[in-house]
Amino acid sequence: GQNIDQPTEMTATEGAIVQINCTYQTSGFNGLFWYQQHAGEAPTFLSYNVLDGLEEKGRFSSFLSRSKGYSYLLLKELQMKDSASYLCAAMDSNYQLIWGAGTKLIIKP
Amino acid sequence: ETGVTQTPRHLVMGMTNKKSLKCEQHLGHNAMYWYKQSAKKPLELMFVYNFKEQTENNSVPSRFSPECPNSSHLFLHLHTLQPEDSALYLCASSQVVADPDTQYFGPGTRLTVL
Repeated sequence: GQNIDQPTEMTATEGAIVQINCTYQTSGFNGLFWYQQHAGEAPTFLSYNVLDGLEEKGRFSSFLSRSKGYSYLLLKELQMKDSASYLCAAMDSNYQLIWGAGTKLIIKP
Repeated sequence: ETGVTQTPRHLVMGMTNKKSLKCEQHLGHNAMYWYKQSAKKPLELMFVYNFKEQTENNSVPSRFSPECPNSSHLFLHLHTLQPEDSALYLCASSQVVADPDTQYFGPGTRLTVL
C-alpha cells in the first residue's frame, strides 16, 4: 500500500533549527512536496524535490533520498510565525499526491 | 480576487439538508480537486477534474456529488450527510493533472453535520 509517515508534533525554540522527517512508500514516484498550513488556513506550497539532494530556499531547506524513501524539511532561525502544521506529500505514478497526517510544529520563545 | 477562493467558509447543516460548496480559481489552471481534511488525518483526495472532465472518484459516497461547469469553477453538492462527514473541505487547482505540478489550495469550508 501507499503510506507517508511523519511525526505528529514537534516543539522547538525561537531562533533554533528544527528538522521534520518524512518517510514514504508509493506506487511509483514523481516527487516529494512540503506544504505549510497555519491553523484555519489553506496549505501553502513550500518545496518540491524529485532528485536526490538538498534544495535550499531562504530559511527553509528540503532534502530527498529516493533510495531510502526519505525526506526532511529543515527550518533555520525559527520565528514564532513558523508555528504551523507541515504536510509531507509524495506524488505517485498516477500523479496523485499521497499525504502524511502533518507535523504540528510548536515554537516557544 | 486572486488564487483559489471557497464559499462558504463555515457551514452547519442537518443530516436531511442539501447544500453546495463552491470553489473558484483565478490562476488559469485546468485541473481542480476536492479534498477532505479531518483532524490528525492525512488529506483524503475525493475528486479530480482535468479540463472539466472527472478523472478520479476515490470511492466517495454518493451523498457527495461534484460538478465542474468550467475549468475555473468547482462545486460539491451535499445531501443526507452523516455526522462523520464533518471536516474541512479543501479545494485545490493545478495547471494540469498528468504532471508533477504544484497544487494551490483554497482556505477551505469548515463543515459541521448535526
